[in-house]
Amino acid sequence: GAVVSQHPSWVICKSGTSVKIECRSLDFQATTMFWYRQFPKQSLMLMATSNEGSKATYEQGVEKDKFLINHASLTLSTLTVTSAHPEDSSFYICSARDPSVPSGANVLTFGAGSRLTVL
Amino acid sequence: QKEVEQNSGPLSVPEGAIASLNCTYSDRGSQSFFWYRQYSGKSPELIMFIYSNGDKEDGRFTAQLNKASQYVSLLIRDSQPSDSATYLCAVNGLTFGEGTQLTVNP
Repeated sequence: GAVVSQHPSWVICKSGTSVKIECRSLDFQATTMFWYRQFPKQSLMLMATSNEGSKATYEQGVEKDKFLINHASLTLSTLTVTSAHPEDSSFYICSARDPSVPSGANVLTFGAGSRLTVL
Repeated sequence: QKEVEQNSGPLSVPEGAIASLNCTYSDRGSQSFFWYRQYSGKSPELIMFIYSNGDKEDGRFTAQLNKASQYVSLLIRDSQPSDSATYLCAVNGLTFGEGTQLTVNP
């Protein structure tokens, strides 16, 4: 099946620094990828939709200047958390539509997630 | 009103029993419904999806959809300790409920 690779799996950084998370589709091309954030004991919250070759679409309440998304190729999307603060500590997960499922089905295949801790 | 609502649980069942997980949604125009399983510290993995009213079975799992009642459920037969996880309901693929934590006791 379709595989999405996400790196790093965990990262610890100091407050005020920036952190980049990479999401790669390994055996398929993904024109669209989705970035989620999950706080402990809470659901996945869609942050933004990453579109290859164009600007990302951010959900309401998500600061686009803080969470920079770049989708420069058909297999790579990156999320950069700029000037990170402790409240940004969370589990960030990327996903893409599974191409092995018939078109029209929004079946997502997820990366392994990146756990960010901001000190 | 939340777009997708699930009982947060925790739900506890004995090994071998049937676990029943429920989900309601607010958008009557929703077309597709998904159940994911998420182990602690891991990302979600798809169990199954359903589009049409009625039941859909896949091994020990059965998804049930009632669009008139805006209700979708997941039944797990012969529950195993390895089924212990959080089960997430997703509507139209992208909007998730908060999940129901299931514990299967040996």
